[in-house]
Amino acid sequence: AQKVTQAQTEISVVEKEDVTLDCVYETRDTTYYLFWYKQPPSGELVFLIRRNSFDEQNEISGRYSWNFQKSTSSFNFTITASQVVDSAVYFCALGLRNTPLVFGKGTRLSVIA
Amino acid sequence: DTEVTQTPKHLVMGMTNKKSLKCEQHMGHRAMYWYKQKAKKPPELMFVYSYEKLSINESVPSRFSPECPNSSLLNLHLHALQPEDSALYLCASSQTGTAYEQYFGPGTRLTVT
Repeated sequence: AQKVTQAQTEISVVEKEDVTLDCVYETRDTTYYLFWYKQPPSGELVFLIRRNSFDEQNEISGRYSWNFQKSTSSFNFTITASQVVDSAVYFCALGLRNTPLVFGKGTRLSVIA
Repeated sequence: DTEVTQTPKHLVMGMTNKKSLKCEQHMGHRAMYWYKQKAKKPPELMFVYSYEKLSINESVPSRFSPECPNSSLLNLHLHALQPEDSALYLCASSQTGTAYEQYFGPGTRLTVT
């Protein structure tokens, strides 16, 4: 069965703190894709990153970084020096062949000024 | 241009009304999606169109009727809805296949009275 677990329901940090959002996935497929989306209060889901199962390289984009570890089936997302504009719900999702995207339940991040 | 547009932004309708939600993209994507999202939940897939043909219907009640007039447009016709259908309706598009990221519109916030 395919599943994505985001164990942190809500996280609250003070501005400029670093924060890591956890994502653990389950699948028996060897080919799969992992995604992170951001949903600010306005409602639109914003695509952040895609990773395929054959590429375990970590990625950094500005203050955002992602750590993909197949050994622990995790795809964690770190925001460095958080800002108020980072406040949103963040979804991790799993894409498999011929199967609709599987979303985690989301983590609500609040960054307090 | 990675924009998906949706109209209207807000919609209030009675249980006997007929209304339509519209979605448009000009990214050349041949897959388009409708999702329903309730508060504090992840998006739930309703329908997928691939090359203008309905490829997935996630057992959605017939009071929701999708239509894909061409490769850029996606409609969702609503009739005889129930109050529990009140939600945020999100449209998305992507290249075909689950390997690709989906781009979401801002959503239509629907209230059924």
